[in-house]
Amino acid sequence: DIQVTQSPSTLSASVGDRVTITCRASQSISSWLAWYQQKPGKAPKLLIYKASSLNSGVPSRFSGSGSGTEFTLTISSLQPDDFATYYCQQYHTYSTFGLGTKVDVK
Amino acid sequence: EVQLVQSGAEVKKPGDSLKISCQGSGYIFTSYWIGWVRQMPGKGLEYMGIIYPGDSDTRYSPSFQGQVTISADRSITTAYLQWSSLRASDTAMYYCVRRHDTEVVYDYWGQGTLVTVSS
Repeated sequence: DIQVTQSPSTLSASVGDRVTITCRASQSISSWLAWYQQKPGKAPKLLIYKASSLNSGVPSRFSGSGSGTEFTLTISSLQPDDFATYYCQQYHTYSTFGLGTKVDVK
Repeated sequence: EVQLVQSGAEVKKPGDSLKISCQGSGYIFTSYWIGWVRQMPGKGLEYMGIIYPGDSDTRYSPSFQGQVTISADRSITTAYLQWSSLRASDTAMYYCVRRHDTEVVYDYWGQGTLVTVSS
């Protein structure tokens, strides 16, 4: 099984901060990685797929990068609506999600 | 507008059977894979399996093979997730998801169905 490990598990930040979340895969997954945002009591929302492709309607302050085993999600200037939990998903072999990174108020 | 509308919350006892549903609308139901994702209380996301309503091709994550059954009824644009014998460990939120047309990612999600299994 391919495991994906996110870090950090919690990140405290302020509005306007640049935020970076990392996802590492246990083996190479090429660019088969997606990022989702989930707010409390809501379903997740797809942000990025194929490591760096922005899903339709997602603000441009979100970006993704990486390939192989190391990937990052960056929020260029954190907005109040961005406080949430973020999950990565590898889809090279079946589908595996990371355990999540909670972005909370510093 | 694409929508996935799931059935309501369920409270069941261990050993009970259950079938929850997910009705798709706003797109061609038979042209997109529909899957299920589990989220246990306070935990992360787990992919369970997926079905292509066009031909009923169904695939399960190894972790869920034999534990659940995924099906679909094209005539009412509805997908299902069912258990023959629930356990307390099945207590979770279950989301149905529509697979993206070109990538194995999930671009639309249902609102979730909370299943509680308790004696």
